[in-house]
Amino acid sequence: QVQLQESGPGLVKPSETLSLTCGVSGYFISGAYYWGWVRQPPGKGLEWIGSVHRSGNTYYNASLTSRLTMSVDTSKNQFSLQLSSVTATDTAIYYCARIVAAAATKGFDYWGQGTLVTVSS
Amino acid sequence: QTVVTQEPSFSVSPGGTVTLTCGLTSGSVSTTSYSSWYQQTPGQAPRTLIYSTNIRSSGVPDRFSGSILGNKAALTITGAQADDESEYHCALYLGSGIWVFGGGTKLTVL
Repeated sequence: QVQLQESGPGLVKPSETLSLTCGVSGYFISGAYYWGWVRQPPGKGLEWIGSVHRSGNTYYNASLTSRLTMSVDTSKNQFSLQLSSVTATDTAIYYCARIVAAAATKGFDYWGQGTLVTVSS
Repeated sequence: QTVVTQEPSFSVSPGGTVTLTCGLTSGSVSTTSYSSWYQQTPGQAPRTLIYSTNIRSSGVPDRFSGSILGNKAALTITGAQADDESEYHCALYLGSGIWVFGGGTKLTVL
């Protein structure tokens, strides 16, 4: 069974960098899937942040691309998110997810439990 | 900017059938939008119900089905049960690795 688990600080100061890691078990991250981050501000809907492949190929939400870096560490079977220059509007529950990205089949299939990140001084 | 539209709320009677939709402010949803649907209850992570328009995720009962209706993606729940009361999110693939989610539909079963 594929499982994903987010980890990282729950509190980040404004203007600093938010860093999260998603550990994957039950599947080698070096496989064919993409790996993504989705966030949900309190009381609001889901927002796709970006996706990364083991090859290093990335796709980012255009509204975040200037502040965003995603990477994969195959040796640790995990992938990471860094979002710089955060403000209160980045306060959200951050979810990691596995993304099916085959030629004729696409979608998010497995999700982590989510981690709340609050931006506050 | 592309926006995905969903009904903010919907209600269904126990045992009834409901169809939630997912559209685009500009353009039509088709199979190449690879529409997907996620169920979320308060305090929980999203649970994948449907991806690639109509593929049910492992363990999802067959009373949940996905389709394209006109120019929108649709999620139909037949024989609604009390524990179907949740928020339902759709996501669409815009191409070039880009995804966008709708604002979610709050489904009430009463």
